[in-house]
Amino acid sequence: KAGVTQTPRYLIKTRGQQVTLSCSPISGHRSVSWYQQTPGQGLQFLFEYFSETQRNKGNFPGRFSGRQFSNSRSEMNVSTLELGDSALYLCASSVQGLEETQYFGPGTRLLVL
Amino acid sequence: QKEVEQNSGPLSVPEGAIASLNCTYSDRGSQSFFWYRQYSGKSPELIMFIYSNGDKEDGRFTAQLNKASQYVSLLIRDSQPSDSATYLCAVNSGNTPLVFGKGTRLSVIA
Repeated sequence: KAGVTQTPRYLIKTRGQQVTLSCSPISGHRSVSWYQQTPGQGLQFLFEYFSETQRNKGNFPGRFSGRQFSNSRSEMNVSTLELGDSALYLCASSVQGLEETQYFGPGTRLLVL
Repeated sequence: QKEVEQNSGPLSVPEGAIASLNCTYSDRGSQSFFWYRQYSGKSPELIMFIYSNGDKEDGRFTAQLNKASQYVSLLIRDSQPSDSATYLCAVNSGNTPLVFGKGTRLSVIA
């Protein structure tokens, strides 16, 4: 079974721009979560989607948003990029939700200049 | 605020030795405990999970959970240079987001 895939793998943007990241979960997995990883803060939860609905949300500003499609693929968007948004963005999937083991994708490394 | 604490390391052990990685958590309601390994520049990879007090063994890895002390550990027997990575402890309480520690960097010296 193929693992979680994320595109693009690397991205360079400038302050003020917006970015959209994509995640395809493991086949059969309906829960998709997004995390931000930085050296200072570690791995922090952004949000979780299940059946096209946001079920859980972390403590991030409204510039961070996401959505999920009927095929469980998910996108996250960051608007008005700031330097501090430079991070590894990880997507994880599970069959039903956060109570289950989360399987991570390879991540998208975003650099904001 | 739910917190998961890990010693950042680096923890250096000689090849063939036992590496012991520790993690404490603040939420007494935590139910599930996970250990992920993350190589530099890569994404976290699940090593083990444990739900009940006691030990759980999988090959060279043993997870130990003590809910009374709010403590979970990972032992790596016969450590190999390929085990050199950052080990992340993660905890959740049912259908709530995983809370991660900042990780312990392990270096196995050949």
